Amino acid sequence: DAGVIQSPRHEVTEMGQEVTLRCKPISGHNSLFWYRQTMMRGLELLIYFNNNVPIDDSGMPEDRFSAKMPNASFSTLKIQPSEPRDSAVYFCASSLYAGSSYNEQFFGPGTRLTVL
Amino acid sequence: DAKTTQPPSMDCAEGRAANLPCNHSTISGNEYVYWYRQIHSQGPQYIIHGLKNNETNEMASLIITEDRKSSTLILPHATLRDTAVYYCIVTGSSNTGKLIFGQGTTLQVKP
Repeated sequence: DAGVIQSPRHEVTEMGQEVTLRCKPISGHNSLFWYRQTMMRGLELLIYFNNNVPIDDSGMPEDRFSAKMPNASFSTLKIQPSEPRDSAVYFCASSLYAGSSYNEQFFGPGTRLTVL
Repeated sequence: DAKTTQPPSMDCAEGRAANLPCNHSTISGNEYVYWYRQIHSQGPQYIIHGLKNNETNEMASLIITEDRKSSTLILPHATLRDTAVYYCIVTGSSNTGKLIFGQGTTLQVKP
């Protein structure tokens, strides 16, 4: 298995631009998680999906952030408009939710976002 | 959700056992203890988890005290590649799958 795939691996953009991060979970996994990591705040959960449905988006910092999961094999995290404080490493993770318990999460390599 | 407390950093000699402690004194009866690690610039990696009993896998052992208020992750023969930040996480009682990462313990394995 290729593991969780994220693209792009690096993104440099200017303030005000739209940024779209992409994630392909491990085949067969039905839960998907988006995290953000910064030196100041550490690793934070932004949002997660079960069976393509958003379950908890309480970690999404503000309305500029949105996430979608149109099918079981693809998810996007969009920032519009982007700001310098959004600079961080964004991780996607997937796991298998068995209805009453979660298995371990498998993380992708991350997307390093720099907003100038 | 139960909060965890870990030492910010630890050193270990290569080839020796690394024992990483975690305090979770407010843990409730149905909350699991998970351990993940993050090697520099990579995504976190699952290591092991447990509820009440001690657990062992190919990577590590997890020792949970009888009162479940603390646990220890043991890497039996640490190598330089085990240098990483180790996170102890207690899952929520509602079993939502959410992982709340703290600051973790930075383990430095030295030759």
